[in-house]
Amino acid sequence: DAKTTQPTSMDCAEGRAANLPCNHSTISGNEYVYWYRQIHSQGPQYIIHGLKNNETNEMASLIITEDRKSSTLILPHATLRDTAVYYCIVRASSNTGKLIFGQGTTLQVKP
Amino acid sequence: GAVVSQHPSWVICKSGTSVKIECRSLDFQATTMFWYRQFPKQSLMLMATSNEGSKATYEQGVEKDKFLINHASLTLSTLTVTSAHPEDSSFYICSARPGTSGRYEQFFGPGTRLTVL
Repeated sequence: DAKTTQPTSMDCAEGRAANLPCNHSTISGNEYVYWYRQIHSQGPQYIIHGLKNNETNEMASLIITEDRKSSTLILPHATLRDTAVYYCIVRASSNTGKLIFGQGTTLQVKP
Repeated sequence: GAVVSQHPSWVICKSGTSVKIECRSLDFQATTMFWYRQFPKQSLMLMATSNEGSKATYEQGVEKDKFLINHASLTLSTLTVTSAHPEDSSFYICSARPGTSGRYEQFFGPGTRLTVL
């Protein structure tokens, strides 16, 4: 599975949009981009995933570049409860399903 | 939504004892479950993939005789830490996937914090 690169940490003002980037320049055609987050001392929470097209759900939007080498997770109106570590993971649809977690981005939402 | 539970949420045990952690998918069947371990200020590390009715597949460096995994039904997987030692103290997290295809997302349990004295 392709490796991802994320910034170590980011800050965001409460109520503003949080844009979390992820680079996955070695992604291949059958690999999906998944986003999870982990709030302190809890299990990770699924946010969103996509293959080629942009995706949106009740939690966030996922913007994938046309060449699929990078993506951005957008939390449209960040709240203090969105403070967490956000993980971008690339995984092939044909593999066993296991997720390999990197270090992720620690997002701090500030009042 | 899909819910995964773990029991117990925390456990303290003496060195040399064994500890069993349960992972259940409450509202879906999970052919595959995964076990992770997380040390303080570190990311999750995959330990093993658990398949219902077959032997688990362990990641490199994980001792299969120390971390026994049983996936006896489509809704239950257990992890037993045998002869636990203080270095086994960690946050253990399971996840489950509702579909057989790799494109399905995984849902995680709340984690079990193990402290070995």
